[in-house]
Amino acid sequence: QVQLVESGGGVVQPGGSLRLSCAASGFMFSSYGMNWVRQAPGKGLEWVSFIRYDGSTIYYAKSVKGRFTISRDNSKNTVDLQMNSLTTEDTAVYYCAKDLYTSGWGFFDPWGQGTLVTVSS
Amino acid sequence: EIVLTQSPDTLSLSPGERATLSCRASQGVSTYLAWYQHKYGQAPRLLIYDASNRATGIPARFSGSGSGTDFTLTISSLDPEDFAVYYCQQRSSWPLTFGGGTKVEIK
Repeated sequence: QVQLVESGGGVVQPGGSLRLSCAASGFMFSSYGMNWVRQAPGKGLEWVSFIRYDGSTIYYAKSVKGRFTISRDNSKNTVDLQMNSLTTEDTAVYYCAKDLYTSGWGFFDPWGQGTLVTVSS
Repeated sequence: EIVLTQSPDTLSLSPGERATLSCRASQGVSTYLAWYQHKYGQAPRLLIYDASNRATGIPARFSGSGSGTDFTLTISSLDPEDFAVYYCQQRSSWPLTFGGGTKVEIK
């Protein structure tokens, strides 16, 4: 079955960096776009970033553009999120989510269990 | 950016009752809309995509309707496991956006 397992979360000081990783299994990883979605404490869901199946197209939310970088390795079935210049506003559970479709983009199915990022001094 | 507004914020109902959740888009999104269920401590789950298509394994008591700017998620008869937060989400244009969520709680 499809499985997405996030790792790399933890506590980091404001201005610091963290790299999240998502290990995928159970499907043809190289055929699907991948996303990161986050949920801050007590808040709703916020889409963060998308990378096309071949890495040729990438999008970011305005709130993270210029600070976060998404990448993928289709030989290892992983998608990463490099997060720099972190602020307390980036504190959240970060979910990795697979695109529903092989063609197109934009719906998420399934999601990983999430990894918690806490930005605090 | 397309803003999705969900109503009500909270819905207090009893098991067996019908739940009707609303999602309104600030501009038309055709039928490029999905609904997700999110329980505390769990991964969100896709329920409905393209406004009215049930995702794999989703019970028939969940249904979606609408197009353009107004959408509805209906749970025909609430099961105890359905009490959760529900989000709508659009893929009509970037950035992808979610509504603020509707909490369905036990009355």
